[in-house]
This record gives sequence, structure tokens and C-alpha cells, in this order.
Amino acid sequence: QKEVEQNSGPLSVPEGAIASLNCTYSDRGSQSFFWYRQYSGKSPELIMFIYSNGDKEDGRFTAQLNKASQYVSLLIRDSQPSDSATYLCAVNESGGSYIPTFGRGTSLIVHP
Amino acid sequence: GAVVSQHPSWVICKSGTSVKIECRSLDFQATTMFWYRQFPKQSLMLMATSNEGSKATYEQGVEKDKFLINHASLTLSTLTVTSAHPEDSSFYICSASDGGGNQPQHFGDGTRLSIL
Repeated sequence: QKEVEQNSGPLSVPEGAIASLNCTYSDRGSQSFFWYRQYSGKSPELIMFIYSNGDKEDGRFTAQLNKASQYVSLLIRDSQPSDSATYLCAVNESGGSYIPTFGRGTSLIVHP
Repeated sequence: GAVVSQHPSWVICKSGTSVKIECRSLDFQATTMFWYRQFPKQSLMLMATSNEGSKATYEQGVEKDKFLINHASLTLSTLTVTSAHPEDSSFYICSASDGGGNQPQHFGDGTRLSIL
């Protein structure tokens, strides 16, 4: 059973701080990794994707991937109250099926 | 680009009714679409993988006769909840990838189904 683990939170950070969200996965052969943001009552929306080890930056968001340790993280700089949402980590299975496996999500609360 | 449209967004109907939900990829072709269900404050649960021109692949525990999936074209997949009952009330979401392979999923806006 391929698993993607996330701390459910809530993670509470003050406005302007860096929020760090972490995700571990069990399938060592996984090739692609995604972060989605889901507001309450809405469907997920793609924030970042990363395929290679290291950091990938897009605006206030940075995704970090370490395949050897099987973890992927998302950093949100200068956190805003509008960033308050559930963040889902997704990993595509290896072996050619490309079926995404989602973590349960981490709830982030950014308080003013 | 990569827009997925889902319709309807909200359905309220009586127990025993069958409900059809449509998922369309508007600006790309999707050989594979995914259907998820999400209960309040719970995680996404993959129900099935919808394959254009072939039968859907259902996850363990999902009744294929209850949740009928048809992927009639490269831009349209439908999910029909047959003889729906209150326990089927949930948030149903579809997704598709515009590049296949390792590309990210793009989600429809979801359908909130309430069975009275």
C-alpha cells in the first residue's frame, strides 16, 4: 500500500511568518510530487509541482524535494490570512500508472 | 489553460433518484480522468479511474453498479450515482491531467450532492 503522510495540524502561524508544511511518502520509485491548496468547501487547486531533488521557487512558495529521505515540503513565505487552507501533498505512483496518491492534508491557519 | 469543468455544482434530490455528474476538460484532451469523494473535514478518497473508451477502474470498496462511470470521449466523463440514498451525500470531485504521465491533476469545482 503506497502511502503519503502529512501532519493534519492545524499549523498556526502569525501573519508574515514562514509556514513549513511537510510530507513523506512510501513509494521510493515515485517521480512527481505536487502541492494543492484546498479552501473549505472548494475543490483543490494546484500550487506547486516538483520532479527533481532540491528547491523550486514560485513567488512566495518554495517546494523542496529529498528523494533519498522520501520527503517533500512546502514553504510559504510572508504568510497571509488568505493562505489559511488545507494543503494536500500528492505523489504519482511509479510503474507507469501515474495514479496520484493524496495525503490527508495539513490545515494551515495564518492569524493576523 | 488546463481547465476542467464540472456540472452541476449542487444537487439536492430525493432518496432513490439517480444523479448524473459531468466532468469536461475544456481546452485539452484527457484519456484518463479521476473521480473522488470527500466527506466533511476528511481527505480526498479516490473512487475510480475513468479511461476513455474502456471500463473504469474502481478502487476497493467502491460499488461499480452504484457509481456508473462513462468516459465517452477524450473531453467528457460522467459519474452516475444510481438510486442515491442519504449516505451517498458527499462532495464529488473530478480531475484530469492535460499531459498524462507525470503531469499535475487539474480539478473541477466539485459537485455537492445532498440526498434527502
